[in-house]
Amino acid sequence: DQQVKQNSPSLSVQEGRISILNCDYTNSMFDYFLWYKKYPAEGPTFLISISSIKDKNEDGRFTVFLNKSAKHLSLHIVPSQPGDSAVYFCAASTTNAGNNRKLIWGLGTSLAVNP
Amino acid sequence: DAGVTQSPTHLIKTRGQQVTLRCSPKSGHDTVSWYQQALGQGPQFIFQYYEEEERQRGNFPDRFSGHQFPNYSSELNVNALLLGDSALYLCASSLDRYGYTFGSGTRLTVV
Repeated sequence: DQQVKQNSPSLSVQEGRISILNCDYTNSMFDYFLWYKKYPAEGPTFLISISSIKDKNEDGRFTVFLNKSAKHLSLHIVPSQPGDSAVYFCAASTTNAGNNRKLIWGLGTSLAVNP
Repeated sequence: DAGVTQSPTHLIKTRGQQVTLRCSPKSGHDTVSWYQQALGQGPQFIFQYYEEEERQRGNFPDRFSGHQFPNYSSELNVNALLLGDSALYLCASSLDRYGYTFGSGTRLTVV
């Protein structure tokens, strides 16, 4: 049962355009969401996060939008650059008893930004 | 400032053998989590250690065990290896509930 879903395994965009990566989740208890970027042969690198009390968080070229009613979040990259080409993972977490967290991950979306 | 370091980077083992993977957390971090990432999949949570105790565990059999040392470093042990255990094993350290830093992983191949 995939609680975090990234339904597009790959995405290709032109340099300078907007990249939109989507993520859906099923567990309404998730209260914190993160996006990670992963290059081959490297571990995931934290990109941006959003708490469930917000609907938007922006950091430079990266913006994450959260729609709690639709259980949907998206990552916008504007403008896209060739160096953004990587696999992007959406992850979600909830605070359980003991106030600790674990991340539940989607399967990832491979983004290719073409020059 | 070193981030999360994992060793070894690559490992080949035979079915039925045992393996130990190691992780040194980022300086200042006290919590270590282990994830398994199979080819084409997202990382799957194995377990998390804090104050030398296993605090949370994912849906992995008892063949997977771990340990955290007083210096916060951690080991992941897998006994009776199966072909399906072949994956990238990622270690993540954190100080609070949100700031995870990942290592580059250990690529385990079971033949």
